Amino acid sequence: VIWMTQSPSLVSASTGDRVTISCRMSQDINSYVAWYQQKPGKAPQVLIYATSTLQTGVPSRFSGSGSGTDFTLTISRLQSEDFATYYCQQYYIFPWTFGQGTKVEIK
Amino acid sequence: EVHLLESGGGLVQPGGSLRLSCAASGFTSSNFAMSWVRQAPGKGLEWVSSIGGSGGSTYYADSVKGRFTISRDNSKNMLYLQMNSLRADDTAVYYCAKHGTEDGIVVAGTGYFNYWGQGTLVTVSS
Repeated sequence: VIWMTQSPSLVSASTGDRVTISCRMSQDINSYVAWYQQKPGKAPQVLIYATSTLQTGVPSRFSGSGSGTDFTLTISRLQSEDFATYYCQQYYIFPWTFGQGTKVEIK
Repeated sequence: EVHLLESGGGLVQPGGSLRLSCAASGFTSSNFAMSWVRQAPGKGLEWVSSIGGSGGSTYYADSVKGRFTISRDNSKNMLYLQMNSLRADDTAVYYCAKHGTEDGIVVAGTGYFNYWGQGTLVTVSS
């Protein structure tokens, strides 16, 4: 089982801020990382896959980076619609696992 | 446009059974692997099970192995999850999800989800 440590668990930020969320894996997962956004009462939506590939239709203020065991989601300039919970996921080794989530709230 | 719609959730007693369904549209079912992902109330996401595009290969989380069975009927564009011997810790919203890679296989690198249904709530309680 690949253990994932997603941090921070909570981010308080203002619109226009740059936000960075980290996901650390217990072993190398060969760049097979996806990031999802989930709003209350809604299903998750993929933002990024394969570490840095932006899903079609996702704004370019979202970006992903990393390699090996350390991965990052960055929101360059936070917009009001970005206040949500974000999850990382590794899909390299079964069982596929998700991070614990990071809630981005209004400061 | 891709659309996934789950049904079949509800209240069931511990030890009981339930069958979830997911109606898919907007894509060729057999070309894509599918999965079930669940989310307990107020908790994070947990992968439950995956099935290849042809239905010939299936995978399960240890927490459900031997109790849940995933299947699909591509002629009807349907995905299923048969859940037996349900326990209180199976209580969750269950999402069906379409894999993002158009190869229909379930291997390393294919398991990210580019479309999700709205979810169906399963409550296991006496």
